[in-house]
Amino acid sequence: AQSVTQLGSHVSVSEGALVLLRCNYSSSVPPYLFWYVQYPNQGLQLLLKYTSAATLVKGINGFEAEFKKSETSFHLTKPSAHMSDAAEYFCAVRNQGGKLIFGQGTELSVKP
Amino acid sequence: EAGVVQSPRYKIIEKKQPVAFWCNPISGHNTLYWYRQNLGQGPELLIRYENEEAVDDSQLPKDRFSAERLKGVDSTLKIQPAELGDSAVYLCASSLPSGSSYNEQFFGPGTRLTVL
Repeated sequence: AQSVTQLGSHVSVSEGALVLLRCNYSSSVPPYLFWYVQYPNQGLQLLLKYTSAATLVKGINGFEAEFKKSETSFHLTKPSAHMSDAAEYFCAVRNQGGKLIFGQGTELSVKP
Repeated sequence: EAGVVQSPRYKIIEKKQPVAFWCNPISGHNTLYWYRQNLGQGPELLIRYENEEAVDDSQLPKDRFSAERLKGVDSTLKIQPAELGDSAVYLCASSLPSGSSYNEQFFGPGTRLTVL
C-alpha cells in the first residue's frame, strides 16, 4: 500500500531563506507524487506533481521538488521564502486505484 | 471559470442532529470526491463518484453517513446523527475522469463542521 510521511509538522524560516519541506513515500509501483498548499480557510491547491517524467519538477510560486527513487523522497524546496508562502503544505501519493493518500501536513511559518 | 463551490462554509450543530453539505463541481468534471480533514491532518477520501455512480465508498461510515449525486453534477453529503468526533472540515473536489492517467483534482474551500 502506498503512503507518505512528512517530516516535521511545523517549519519556520526567515523571509528570504531557503524553504525545505520533507516528504518520503512508500510505494510498490512507480508513484505519482504531489505537493498541495492550503491557505487558511481555503481548499487545497496543487503546487506541482511528479508523473514519471523529469525527476526535477517545477511548480507554481517558485516551488520545485526532486524525485529521488534511491531515497524514496520528494522534498519540496524554494530558494527564497516570501511572507505569502506561510501556509500548510501536504505531500500526497496516488495509489493504484486512483486515490490520493495525503501526508499529515507541514505548517510553514515565515518570519520577517 | 468558477471553481468548486461548497456550502455552507461553516456549520455548528449539537450532537445527534443531522447535517448536510452541498457541492457543485467545476463544469464538465465527471469525477467528484468528498474528503474529511481532521484538525492537524491531511484529507482522507470518503467517497468518489464517476458521474452519478459511487465507485469508491470504502471509507464512508455507512451507519451514519450518506451521499448522493443524482444527476451526475451536484452532490450532497449527509450525516445523521452527528457525533462529536465528526467535527472536521469536509472538502469536495472534482476532476476530469480519472482513467489511467492523473487528472488534477480541484478542491473547494470546504465546510467546517463543529459538533457540540
